[in-house]
Amino acid sequence: GNSVTQMEGPVTLSEEAFLTINCTYTATGYPSLFWYVQYPGEGLQLLLKATKADDKGSNKGFEATYRKETTSFHLEKGSVQVSDSAVYFCARIAYSGAGSYQLTFGKGTKLSVIP
Amino acid sequence: EAGVAQSPRYKIIEKRQSVAFWCNPISGHATLYWYQQILGQGPKLLIQFQNNGVVDDSQLPKDRFSAERLKGVDSTLKIQPAKLEDSAVYLCASSTSGGAGYNEQFFGPGTRLTVL
Repeated sequence: GNSVTQMEGPVTLSEEAFLTINCTYTATGYPSLFWYVQYPGEGLQLLLKATKADDKGSNKGFEATYRKETTSFHLEKGSVQVSDSAVYFCARIAYSGAGSYQLTFGKGTKLSVIP
Repeated sequence: EAGVAQSPRYKIIEKRQSVAFWCNPISGHATLYWYQQILGQGPKLLIQFQNNGVVDDSQLPKDRFSAERLKGVDSTLKIQPAKLEDSAVYLCASSTSGGAGYNEQFFGPGTRLTVL
């Protein structure tokens, strides 16, 4: 099936610390992979994506590399800020037919950054 | 450009009552999605529309949930009767359609439902 597993939270870091949130996916074909972010009180926003093996998605200082050999798409940031406090979701797509695609999400990892 | 609009933002009802949520997608987006996000979990797709037709409703509990998108624009999701386990955030998303691959989904702020 099409599933995504990401590390359990919550994660609490001090400002300027290094962040890694692990994500692995089931290897049904070569799905596009995504990280979404949900800030408090807001809707889900696409943070970054990668569409094929060895692609690196990046945005706002966050990066994730599509690793086919380990079926992983870990999210990293070298120096987190308080404003990065949010819930992060790893996701993959699956083709649902009729030209449509569906997202399958992980359970989410809550990040809290303290000053 | 206006984003995906949802209302109400919050709703509290008692079990066995009915409730309806409304979604207005981004203008021009042919595809509309409803997701259920239970606390501590990722969003789960309930139903996907392409214009006013259903593409996939395999995870929609059809004995109590229904959804429609009559004119291919805005959509309503209804629960009748509600159960305690329906407490969740209901997210609406929309995307363009066509093209050779995935079209980015844009999410609304969600409706937080509490069933007592």
